[in-house]
Amino acid sequence: GAVVSQHPSRVICKSGTSVKIECRSLDFQATTMFWYRQFPKQSLMLMATSNEGSKATYEQGVEKDKFLINHASLTLSTLTVTSAHPEDSSFYICSARDERGYEQYFGPGTRLTVT
Amino acid sequence: QQQVKQSPQSLIVQKGGISIINCAYENTAFDYFPWYQQFPGKGPALLIAIRPDVSEKKEGRFTISFNKSAKQFSLHIMDSQPGDSATYFCAASMIPYSSASKIIFGSGTRLSIRP
Repeated sequence: GAVVSQHPSRVICKSGTSVKIECRSLDFQATTMFWYRQFPKQSLMLMATSNEGSKATYEQGVEKDKFLINHASLTLSTLTVTSAHPEDSSFYICSARDERGYEQYFGPGTRLTVT
Repeated sequence: QQQVKQSPQSLIVQKGGISIINCAYENTAFDYFPWYQQFPGKGPALLIAIRPDVSEKKEGRFTISFNKSAKQFSLHIMDSQPGDSATYFCAASMIPYSSASKIIFGSGTRLSIRP
C-alpha cells in the first residue's frame, strides 16, 4: 500500500524558535497533501491543504504566517511552525492523496513539544 | 451540513464479540466513506471504505453497512480481538475531488476489547 513518512517523529523545541516537519509520499505522487493537528482524545483538525507548486489553502482560524506550508514537489510537503509557543504543542499529522484522487494516506505523525 | 456524527464515543467489547460503530451525515453530495483506525501515538490508517452504490462491503472481519436513504453507515468488527483496541474514525468526502475537497472526520470511537 501507499506509504507516507514524516520526519521527525518527535521534536522538542524552545519557545520562540521555529521547527520544520517534513512529509513525504514514498511510493506515489501526491498532487495534494494535507496537514492536520490532533489534540489528545480528539479528532483530526485540518489545518491546511497544499497543492504542488501553489500556495496552501488554510482553514479558518489557522494562522498562515505561523504555520508555513511548502509543497515544492509531488512527493514532499513541509510544515514550519514559526515562533513556537507552548500552546503549539500537539500531534501533527500529514496525509497525501494519490493521483486517482480519492484515497488519502496518513503519515505516522510528529509529536511537537514546545518548552 | 458538513458534519459527520459518530457514536458511541467509547466502546468496550468482550473478545470474540461484535463491535459496532455508527455514523450519520447530512450532505448528500458525499460519495466516499472511509474508516480509519488509529493506535496511540500513530497516524490514522485506512481500514476500509465504501461508495454509496453498494449497501455493504466486507474485508476480513471488518464490514461496512451503508444506508443511503437514512444517510447512515456503520462499521462492524466481527470476532473482535484485543489487537483491535484502537480509536476508529468514520469519514466522508466527495469524488471527484476539487482542489477544495477534503475529508470530513467523525469525532472518533475509542474501542477496547477485553480479553
